[in-house]
Amino acid sequence: GAGVSQSPRYKVAKRGQDVALRCDPISGHVSLFWYQQALGQGPEFLTYFQNEAQLDKSGLPSDRFFAERPEGSVSTLKIQRTQQEDSAVYLCASSQRDGPNQPQHFGDGTRLSIL
Amino acid sequence: AQSVTQLGSHVSVSEGALVLLRCNYSSSVPPYLFWYVQYPNQGLQLLLKYTSAATLVKGINGFEAEFKKSETSFHLTKPSAHMSDAAEYFCAVSGDAGGTSYGKLTFGQGTILTVHP
Repeated sequence: GAGVSQSPRYKVAKRGQDVALRCDPISGHVSLFWYQQALGQGPEFLTYFQNEAQLDKSGLPSDRFFAERPEGSVSTLKIQRTQQEDSAVYLCASSQRDGPNQPQHFGDGTRLSIL
Repeated sequence: AQSVTQLGSHVSVSEGALVLLRCNYSSSVPPYLFWYVQYPNQGLQLLLKYTSAATLVKGINGFEAEFKKSETSFHLTKPSAHMSDAAEYFCAVSGDAGGTSYGKLTFGQGTILTVHP
């Protein structure tokens, strides 16, 4: 597709359930980022992939969060044993090349609500 | 560590008035700076970026920003506001103090712009 695609757009889960969020980056983009945006806040970095390699996962809030990008394209963010504090919008972004000057292209996000 | 401060969580202007959204950054390395706009229930769209080529950066939709190293500022302006500019705006700095080679973004808290007719 032309842009970054995320699915589902909305996810409601009960506390304790596992969830999986999908990101389809722009074709050919090397870099892929996940961010978490709490209500009324700016996005916060979770993790970064260069192709299939996860080079930085310093922003993942706990070991319940896991991300993968096995073939260097589609990525999945998995949250195990969800908690209410996991409720947020999860944004995926990709950029064509590596480098701090590269603009990131964002998807519309997945809004996760934990009941 | 990198950080970004956006002064004013809400800014309200009349249609046709000047828009000024403030951003100050803290960075131990030469910064790469970005402004993004977010419309309700959408992702972030890049408005403009500063990468040291020029201190005055022009972006989309008539927005521009000026990098002032002495003030560690990167304020966003638009001469004449339009109703369609109503959205939330985020300033971001790229990289981190460790000198990472990739574009990990640190965002400000955001400024909601309201435009009155």
